[in-house]
Amino acid sequence: QQQVKQSPQSLIVQKGGIPIINCAYENTAFDYFPWYQQFPGKGPALLIAIRPDVSEKKEGRFTISFNKSAKQFSLHIMDSQPGDSATYFCAARGAGSNYKLTFGKGTLLTVNP
Amino acid sequence: NAGVMQNPRHLVRRRGQEARLRCSPMKGHSHVYWYRQLPEEGLKFMVYLQKENIIDESGMPKERFSAEFPKEGPSILRIQQVVRGDSAAYFCASSPPTGWEQYFGPGTRLTVT
Repeated sequence: QQQVKQSPQSLIVQKGGIPIINCAYENTAFDYFPWYQQFPGKGPALLIAIRPDVSEKKEGRFTISFNKSAKQFSLHIMDSQPGDSATYFCAARGAGSNYKLTFGKGTLLTVNP
Repeated sequence: NAGVMQNPRHLVRRRGQEARLRCSPMKGHSHVYWYRQLPEEGLKFMVYLQKENIIDESGMPKERFSAEFPKEGPSILRIQQVVRGDSAAYFCASSPPTGWEQYFGPGTRLTVT
């Protein structure tokens, strides 16, 4: 059972565009939602994260929008650059003492020059 | 401050051999998580450990896989009698005792021939 659904699987934008990646979850016990960026052959790098008591968070060119009632959250990349081309994963963490992350399947982003 | 370290980065084993993957968490981090990533897939949780304790191993296959995080030294993920289906990238992440963020290492890419 996939608990975090991520879309689209792949996305191509032009430089300067604003790619948007969406995630949806079912488990209302999730209380922490990070996004990771992964380049080929590398480990995932934490980009930005949000908790459900906040509807939006910005860090540099990256913004998370969070809709608690719809159980959805999304990543927006402003002024995208070719160097942003990577795979992006959303994740969710359960409340309580178990801190394991449940990941979406990833979105392969290509930013063309 | 060094990040999460994993070794080896690449490991080739024949079917039936044992694989040992090591993870040294970031300084000050006492929580370690292991995840497995199959090609074109997201990361799947395997096990969550604190020093000398396994907190959650719900994602670990029941046979052939084991993990430890001793008082001294790195965390070890051990796979006995490897099979071709074990070929994957194995990532370790660490977090501080009171922090939300998980930081990933570069991974060990296991190939079973």
